This record gives sequence, structure tokens and C-alpha cells, in this order.
Amino acid sequence: EAGVAQSPRYKIIEKRQSVAFWCNPISGHATLYWYQQILGQGPKLLIQFQNNGVVDDSQLPKDRFSAERLKGVDSTLKIQPAKLEDSAVYLCASREGLNNSPLHFGNGTRLTVT
Amino acid sequence: AQKITQTQPGMFVQEKEAVTLDCTYDTSDPSYGLFWYKQPSSGEMIFLIYQGSYDQQNATEGRYSLNFQKARKSANLVISASQLGDSAMYFCAMRERNQFYFGTGTSLTVIP
Repeated sequence: EAGVAQSPRYKIIEKRQSVAFWCNPISGHATLYWYQQILGQGPKLLIQFQNNGVVDDSQLPKDRFSAERLKGVDSTLKIQPAKLEDSAVYLCASREGLNNSPLHFGNGTRLTVT
Repeated sequence: AQKITQTQPGMFVQEKEAVTLDCTYDTSDPSYGLFWYKQPSSGEMIFLIYQGSYDQQNATEGRYSLNFQKARKSANLVISASQLGDSAMYFCAMRERNQFYFGTGTSLTVIP
């Protein structure tokens, strides 16, 4: 089974620029998550989708971050404008609906804001 | 309150020895799941082991076992016969309803 695909792998931008990340989950996984992982910390949930609906976006900085999951499959996460503190790894994960099913993560996008 | 607490920022273990990574959790939900993930320096998050709150026996997966003490709300990961490739960050996570909470991680270094 193909894993969670993310692109790009690395991105360097200047502050105040915009950036977008793409994620394609494992086929059939209804739930999709975007996490932010700052160096030395655990992943922090930004947004969770169930099919194409938002389940939880309480920790998404909505003044600069946006995400969508059109057609309930792949998803994009955008930052506009970026700040220095947005430098982090952005992880996408997907999951089946069973209680014991784990999150399956992509390789992440390492964002550096200069 | 923190949902997941990992109190060991860094651990060292001799190759071939066993090591225990600590994790405590906080929930009032009777149904939850506990997961451990490994994150090597390359960055990918690798699922290791799962324990359900209603599971009577401790979970095991190869060299990984989960020491589940429900009354103490702890879910420690035990790695037996450590290998050099086990050097990585290890994250404990809890699923509560459909949300996942992660700890701050433990950095494990295996010494030859």
C-alpha cells in the first residue's frame, strides 16, 4: 500500500512570503491531519479533516494559515504571510476509522523562514 | 494539564541491553488508545505499538513491548536487545475520541 505523500520535502522562504504544502493520504483513509513540529518538540495538531469537512481547527492560526481538502482526498496547507516562528516541519497524517488504527505520517515538509 | 507527559528528555543504553521509556497520560475518557512512534534523524514518524484502554494484556511487537499500568495512567515502552538503529526520538501519543495528543519525546542513544 502506498504511504502518505507530501511535497515539497524542503522549502526556504523569506518572511512575509507565502507557501503551500500538499498532502495525498493513503487511499481510503477518511481522516487527514496536519501537524506542525518545531525542532525539539512533539507534533502539534493544526487541523483535522474528516472526508472534506473540518473536525478541529482550534489551533490553526487562521489569520495566516489556511487548509482545504477538496473532494475528501488530497489536501493543501497554506501560510500567508509567513513569520520566522513558522519554521518547522509540517507533517501530514491519515488514518482509518478504527479505534486501534494509528496515524500514518508522510515524510513531512521542512520549512525554513528567513 | 498535559495530556501526555514524557519526563526523560534523553536516555542512553548499551547495545543489546533493554531500555524503558516513560510515558504518563491524563484522560477521563474510559475509551482511549496509546501509541508509540519512533522518529529517526531523517524525520519520518514510524508507528511502533498500540495499546487500547480495554486491552487486558500488554501489547508486544517484536522487540517492543508496552508496560500498561492503567491505574497509574502510565504506558511505558520497553525496547529489548537494543540495536544501534534504535537511536532516535520516541514519542508517546494518546488517542482520545478521534484526536491525538503527543508528548515532547525522549531522545534515545544506543552506545556500541
